[in-house]
Amino acid sequence: SQQGEEDPQALSIQEGENATMNCSYKTSINNLQWYRQNSGRGLVHLILIRSNEREKHSGRLRVTLDTSKKSSSLLITASRAADTASYFCATDASNSGYALNFGKGTSLLVTP
Amino acid sequence: GAVVSQHPSWVICKSGTSVKIECRSLDFQATTMFWYRQFPKQSLMLMATSNEGSKATYEQGVEKDKFLINHASLTLSTLTVTSAHPEDSSFYICSARDSRAQYFGPGTRLTVT
Repeated sequence: SQQGEEDPQALSIQEGENATMNCSYKTSINNLQWYRQNSGRGLVHLILIRSNEREKHSGRLRVTLDTSKKSSSLLITASRAADTASYFCATDASNSGYALNFGKGTSLLVTP
Repeated sequence: GAVVSQHPSWVICKSGTSVKIECRSLDFQATTMFWYRQFPKQSLMLMATSNEGSKATYEQGVEKDKFLINHASLTLSTLTVTSAHPEDSSFYICSARDSRAQYFGPGTRLTVT
Protein backbone atom coordinates (compact mmCIF):
# COMPACT_ATOMS: atom_id res chain seq x y z
CA SER A 1 0.00 0.00 0.00
CA GLN A 2 1.17 3.50 -0.68
CA GLN A 3 2.44 5.10 2.42
CA GLY A 4 4.53 8.10 1.45
CA GLU A 5 2.84 11.44 1.35
CA GLU A 6 4.59 14.46 -0.06
CA ASP A 7 3.86 18.07 0.39
CA PRO A 8 3.46 20.37 -1.25
CA GLN A 9 1.70 18.72 -4.19
CA ALA A 10 3.03 21.42 -6.46
CA LEU A 11 5.67 24.09 -6.10
CA SER A 12 6.60 26.94 -8.38
CA ILE A 13 9.79 28.93 -7.79
CA GLN A 14 12.23 31.05 -9.71
CA GLU A 15 15.70 30.02 -10.75
CA GLY A 16 18.22 30.48 -7.99
CA GLU A 17 15.73 29.90 -5.21
CA ASN A 18 15.73 26.85 -2.98
CA ALA A 19 13.03 24.20 -3.19
CA THR A 20 11.99 22.12 -0.22
CA MET A 21 9.77 19.08 -0.44
CA ASN A 22 8.58 16.99 2.44
CA CYS A 23 7.60 13.36 2.71
CA SER A 24 5.88 11.46 5.49
CA TYR A 25 5.46 7.73 5.86
CA LYS A 26 3.66 5.36 8.17
CA THR A 27 5.65 2.22 8.95
CA SER A 28 9.19 1.29 9.91
CA ILE A 29 11.63 1.53 7.05
CA ASN A 30 15.04 0.24 6.03
CA ASN A 31 15.75 3.31 3.96
CA LEU A 32 14.12 6.17 2.12
CA GLN A 33 14.93 7.25 -1.39
CA TRP A 34 14.13 10.25 -3.53
CA TYR A 35 13.50 9.99 -7.23
CA ARG A 36 12.95 12.48 -9.98
CA GLN A 37 10.73 12.00 -13.00
CA ASN A 38 10.48 14.24 -15.99
CA SER A 39 7.10 14.32 -17.66
CA GLY A 40 6.34 11.01 -19.33
CA ARG A 41 9.76 9.60 -18.60
CA GLY A 42 11.30 7.03 -16.31
CA LEU A 43 12.62 7.50 -12.82
CA VAL A 44 15.99 8.92 -11.97
CA HIS A 45 17.40 7.93 -8.61
CA LEU A 46 18.61 10.94 -6.67
CA ILE A 47 19.64 9.87 -3.22
CA LEU A 48 19.17 7.16 -0.62
CA ILE A 49 19.22 7.72 3.10
CA ARG A 50 19.30 4.82 5.51
CA SER A 51 17.16 4.61 8.60
CA ASN A 52 20.18 5.18 10.85
CA GLU A 53 21.21 8.35 9.01
CA ARG A 54 19.83 11.80 9.70
CA GLU A 55 21.19 13.87 6.86
CA LYS A 56 22.82 13.30 3.51
CA HIS A 57 24.16 15.57 0.79
CA SER A 58 24.72 15.07 -2.89
CA GLY A 59 25.67 18.12 -4.93
CA ARG A 60 22.83 20.60 -4.65
CA LEU A 61 20.63 18.08 -2.88
CA ARG A 62 20.22 17.77 0.86
CA VAL A 63 18.04 15.10 2.40
CA THR A 64 17.06 14.79 6.01
CA LEU A 65 15.36 11.92 7.76
CA ASP A 66 13.54 12.00 11.08
CA THR A 67 12.48 8.48 11.94
CA SER A 68 10.77 9.61 15.14
CA LYS A 69 8.43 11.76 13.07
CA LYS A 70 8.48 9.39 10.12
CA SER A 71 9.33 12.21 7.78
CA SER A 72 11.98 13.28 5.31
CA SER A 73 12.74 16.42 3.39
CA LEU A 74 14.50 17.08 0.11
CA LEU A 75 16.13 20.45 -0.39
CA ILE A 76 17.32 21.53 -3.80
CA THR A 77 19.53 24.58 -3.53
CA ALA A 78 20.08 27.21 -6.22
CA SER A 79 17.42 25.66 -8.42
CA ARG A 80 17.64 25.67 -12.20
CA ALA A 81 14.99 25.48 -14.88
CA ALA A 82 16.29 21.98 -15.65
CA ASP A 83 15.20 20.89 -12.15
CA THR A 84 11.58 21.15 -13.30
CA ALA A 85 10.16 17.66 -12.74
CA SER A 86 8.14 15.58 -10.34
CA TYR A 87 9.88 14.36 -7.23
CA PHE A 88 8.88 11.24 -5.35
CA CYS A 89 9.98 9.77 -2.08
CA ALA A 90 9.96 6.00 -1.80
CA THR A 91 10.33 3.87 1.26
CA ASP A 92 11.74 0.41 1.54
CA ALA A 93 9.76 -0.99 4.41
CA SER A 94 11.14 -3.61 6.71
CA ASN A 95 8.51 -6.14 5.70
CA SER A 96 7.97 -5.19 2.08
CA GLY A 97 10.30 -7.69 0.47
CA TYR A 98 12.23 -4.71 -0.94
CA ALA A 99 9.25 -3.39 -2.90
CA LEU A 100 9.16 0.38 -2.79
CA ASN A 101 6.22 2.41 -1.64
CA PHE A 102 6.04 5.70 -3.44
CA GLY A 103 4.61 8.95 -2.22
CA LYS A 104 2.22 10.98 -4.31
CA GLY A 105 4.97 13.27 -5.46
CA THR A 106 5.67 16.97 -5.66
CA SER A 107 5.52 18.69 -9.01
CA LEU A 108 8.26 21.32 -9.15
CA LEU A 109 8.29 24.12 -11.69
CA VAL A 110 11.36 26.32 -11.85
CA THR A 111 10.91 29.38 -14.01
CA PRO A 112 13.82 31.30 -15.53
CA GLY B 1 26.09 0.75 -13.74
CA ALA B 2 23.16 -1.64 -13.64
CA VAL B 3 20.79 -1.19 -16.55
CA VAL B 4 17.21 -2.31 -16.89
CA SER B 5 15.48 -2.16 -20.24
CA GLN B 6 11.84 -2.39 -21.19
CA HIS B 7 10.31 -3.26 -24.50
CA PRO B 8 8.37 -1.77 -26.08
CA SER B 9 8.73 1.86 -25.02
CA TRP B 10 5.19 2.55 -26.03
CA VAL B 11 2.36 0.57 -27.51
CA ILE B 12 -1.09 1.33 -28.80
CA CYS B 13 -3.53 -1.53 -29.00
CA LYS B 14 -7.21 -2.10 -29.54
CA SER B 15 -9.57 -2.96 -26.74
CA GLY B 16 -9.81 -6.70 -26.18
CA THR B 17 -6.33 -7.55 -27.37
CA SER B 18 -3.39 -8.65 -25.23
CA VAL B 19 -0.10 -6.85 -24.86
CA LYS B 20 3.20 -8.22 -23.60
CA ILE B 21 5.81 -5.98 -21.98
CA GLU B 22 9.34 -7.21 -21.39
CA CYS B 23 11.67 -6.17 -18.61
CA ARG B 24 15.32 -7.16 -18.82
CA SER B 25 18.28 -6.66 -16.55
CA LEU B 26 21.10 -6.19 -19.02
CA ASP B 27 24.24 -6.55 -16.98
CA PHE B 28 23.23 -8.25 -13.78
CA GLN B 29 21.09 -11.07 -12.50
CA ALA B 30 17.96 -9.91 -10.77
CA THR B 31 16.80 -11.92 -7.82
CA THR B 32 13.52 -10.09 -7.78
CA MET B 33 11.64 -7.95 -10.26
CA PHE B 34 8.79 -5.58 -9.54
CA TRP B 35 6.05 -4.17 -11.73
CA TYR B 36 4.57 -0.75 -11.06
CA ARG B 37 1.79 1.18 -12.76
CA GLN B 38 1.50 4.94 -12.99
CA PHE B 39 -1.62 6.75 -14.14
CA PRO B 40 -1.30 10.31 -15.46
CA LYS B 41 -0.29 12.83 -12.83
CA GLN B 42 -0.24 10.13 -10.18
CA SER B 43 2.43 8.21 -8.35
CA LEU B 44 3.73 4.72 -8.95
CA MET B 45 1.69 1.89 -7.51
CA LEU B 46 3.19 -1.53 -6.99
CA MET B 47 1.33 -4.17 -8.96
CA ALA B 48 3.29 -7.30 -8.26
CA THR B 49 6.55 -8.82 -7.15
CA SER B 50 8.09 -11.66 -9.09
CA ASN B 51 10.92 -13.99 -8.25
CA GLU B 52 12.58 -16.15 -10.84
CA GLY B 53 10.95 -19.55 -11.15
CA SER B 54 8.04 -18.88 -8.84
CA LYS B 55 4.62 -17.34 -9.05
CA ALA B 56 4.28 -13.62 -8.76
CA THR B 57 2.83 -12.02 -5.67
CA TYR B 58 0.14 -9.52 -6.57
CA GLU B 59 -0.89 -6.49 -4.59
CA GLN B 60 -4.43 -6.21 -3.37
CA GLY B 61 -6.76 -5.11 -6.12
CA VAL B 62 -4.56 -6.26 -8.97
CA GLU B 63 -6.15 -9.05 -10.99
CA LYS B 64 -3.64 -11.83 -11.49
CA ASP B 65 -5.61 -13.32 -14.37
CA LYS B 66 -5.58 -10.01 -16.18
CA PHE B 67 -1.98 -9.07 -15.55
CA LEU B 68 0.04 -12.20 -16.22
CA ILE B 69 3.61 -12.11 -14.99
CA ASN B 70 6.24 -14.58 -16.05
CA HIS B 71 9.74 -14.50 -14.62
CA ALA B 72 11.44 -17.27 -16.55
CA SER B 73 15.04 -16.27 -15.96
CA LEU B 74 17.17 -14.09 -13.73
CA THR B 75 17.30 -11.44 -16.43
CA LEU B 76 13.80 -11.39 -17.89
CA SER B 77 10.31 -10.79 -16.58
CA THR B 78 7.26 -10.24 -18.74
CA LEU B 79 3.94 -8.59 -17.99
CA THR B 80 1.03 -9.49 -20.25
CA VAL B 81 -2.04 -7.33 -20.09
CA THR B 82 -4.82 -9.61 -21.27
CA SER B 83 -8.03 -8.41 -22.86
CA ALA B 84 -6.90 -4.84 -22.49
CA HIS B 85 -9.43 -2.10 -21.91
CA PRO B 86 -9.06 1.67 -22.12
CA GLU B 87 -8.83 1.90 -18.34
CA ASP B 88 -5.65 -0.18 -18.53
CA SER B 89 -3.98 2.68 -20.38
CA SER B 90 -1.10 3.66 -18.15
CA PHE B 91 2.66 3.89 -17.77
CA TYR B 92 4.07 0.53 -16.69
CA ILE B 93 7.48 0.55 -15.02
CA CYS B 94 9.50 -2.45 -13.97
CA SER B 95 12.41 -2.60 -11.59
CA ALA B 96 14.98 -5.27 -10.95
CA ARG B 97 16.84 -5.90 -7.77
CA ASP B 98 20.20 -7.46 -7.14
CA SER B 99 21.80 -7.96 -3.74
CA ARG B 100 22.54 -4.27 -3.36
CA ALA B 101 19.92 -2.08 -4.93
CA GLN B 102 16.86 -1.74 -7.10
CA TYR B 103 17.09 -0.39 -10.63
CA PHE B 104 14.21 0.96 -12.67
CA GLY B 105 13.45 0.50 -16.33
CA PRO B 106 12.49 3.45 -18.52
CA GLY B 107 8.82 2.50 -18.59
CA THR B 108 6.30 1.42 -21.21
CA ARG B 109 3.39 3.62 -22.12
CA LEU B 110 0.31 1.60 -23.00
CA THR B 111 -2.63 3.19 -24.73
CA VAL B 112 -5.72 1.08 -25.30
CA THR B 113 -8.15 2.46 -27.85
